[in-house]
Amino acid sequence: DIQMTQSPSSQSASVGDRVTITCRASQSISNSLNWYQQKPGKAPKLLIYAASSLQSGVPSSFSGSGSGTDFTLTISSLQPEDFATYFCQQSYSVPFTFGPGTKVDIK
Amino acid sequence: QVQLQQSGPGLVKPSQTLSLTCGISGDSVSSNSAAWNWIRQSPSRGLEWLGRTYHRSKWYNDYAVSVKSRITINPDTSKNQFSLQVNSVTPEDTAVYYCARVSYRGGNNWFDSWGQGTLVTVSS
Repeated sequence: DIQMTQSPSSQSASVGDRVTITCRASQSISNSLNWYQQKPGKAPKLLIYAASSLQSGVPSSFSGSGSGTDFTLTISSLQPEDFATYFCQQSYSVPFTFGPGTKVDIK
Repeated sequence: QVQLQQSGPGLVKPSQTLSLTCGISGDSVSSNSAAWNWIRQSPSRGLEWLGRTYHRSKWYNDYAVSVKSRITINPDTSKNQFSLQVNSVTPEDTAVYYCARVSYRGGNNWFDSWGQGTLVTVSS
């Protein structure tokens, strides 16, 4: 199975801050990497697919980059509604696997 | 707009069978460009993909090794839904269970629609 790691595990930030979350795969997964946002009591929501493509309806303040084993999710200017937990997920091969998550909370 | 609606009991006794259903609107369980998945989430295991069913001229299933001996995912074309069964449950199967659709494009795929989640507790 492909193992996914994320850093940091949590981050305190303020509204307007630039936030960067890193995801690493245990082997090369090309650009088969997706990012999700999850709020308490809700299902994950797709933000970025194929490493850098923005899902319809997602604000352009979110962006993704990377290929191979190293990937980044960036929020250019954090908004109040962006405080949540973020997960990466590899779709390169079954079993699909997720990172452990990065919780972004209010500083 | 695809919507997935989950149903099923929230409490299951140890050694019994966990059964959940995911109703689909806005798409077809027989679609040749989607796959229908079950995922669970718990504090100890995080988000864990359990398996999928999909149709490409015939029906296919894939299951996670961790549950492969105990799990069945079945499509129901008459009701446009799919189901999850996990046999011989233990307290370690306690989790929030989600159904989710995978969409495919350009050699990539992603979970773009999710059910609302069902907290299943395994307890006597």
